[in-house]
Amino acid sequence: EVQLVESGGGLVQPGGSLRLSCAASGFTFSSFEMNWVRQAPGKGLEWVSYISISGSTIYYADSVKGRFTISRDNAKNSLYLQLNSLRAEDTAVYYCARGGRGAVIDDAFDLWGQGTMVTVSS
Amino acid sequence: QSVLTQPPSVSGAPGQRVTISCTGSSSNIGAVYDVHWYQQLPGTAPKLLIYGNSNRPSGVPGRFSGSKSGTSASLAISGLQAEDEADYYCQSYDSSLSGWVFGGGTKLTVL
Repeated sequence: EVQLVESGGGLVQPGGSLRLSCAASGFTFSSFEMNWVRQAPGKGLEWVSYISISGSTIYYADSVKGRFTISRDNAKNSLYLQLNSLRAEDTAVYYCARGGRGAVIDDAFDLWGQGTMVTVSS
Repeated sequence: QSVLTQPPSVSGAPGQRVTISCTGSSSNIGAVYDVHWYQQLPGTAPKLLIYGNSNRPSGVPGRFSGSKSGTSASLAISGLQAEDEADYYCQSYDSSLSGWVFGGGTKLTVL
């Protein structure tokens, strides 16, 4: 089955850190760009970060730049997001989402995981 | 404040047709980047509904259609059904932000 499964969410204090993982299966992970998208409780979708197929190109939303780090391990079919210096406003469900094969920059996100909840609170 | 602007809510009776607009700017929709639409049913992850402005992924009913013109795009849903009640989001790439942007989302209520 083609799927993405996130893990690693939880409750963390402000200023703390967390590492999210996304396990891919059922498709050739190393052929697709990947993204993280988050959704605060009761709010809309916010793109967080992008990583190219090789990992050589990375983009971040301004809201997380300098605090979050995206990475991937194609040998393990896995995507990661390291969250540091967490703030209350980072509280959200974090989704990993599959992008395109790298031909164009504006491909749709055609496969989403079920999400993992991150709660930042003291 | 989202970069792409959508109406917060729309509604329609079963069988009717509704449209959801998505307005951007010259750095995203107007810059020839594609617009994509996602459907998020309550308590679930988003699902790709329309890609490349007007294309439907396999399995998406033909009742759903998309279009784009200038700096705006639209999602049309005809023959409304109760199961269409969900949140809908438009998305595009923004060259000035070097990233992807979403609309604020539109809640569709089937009366």
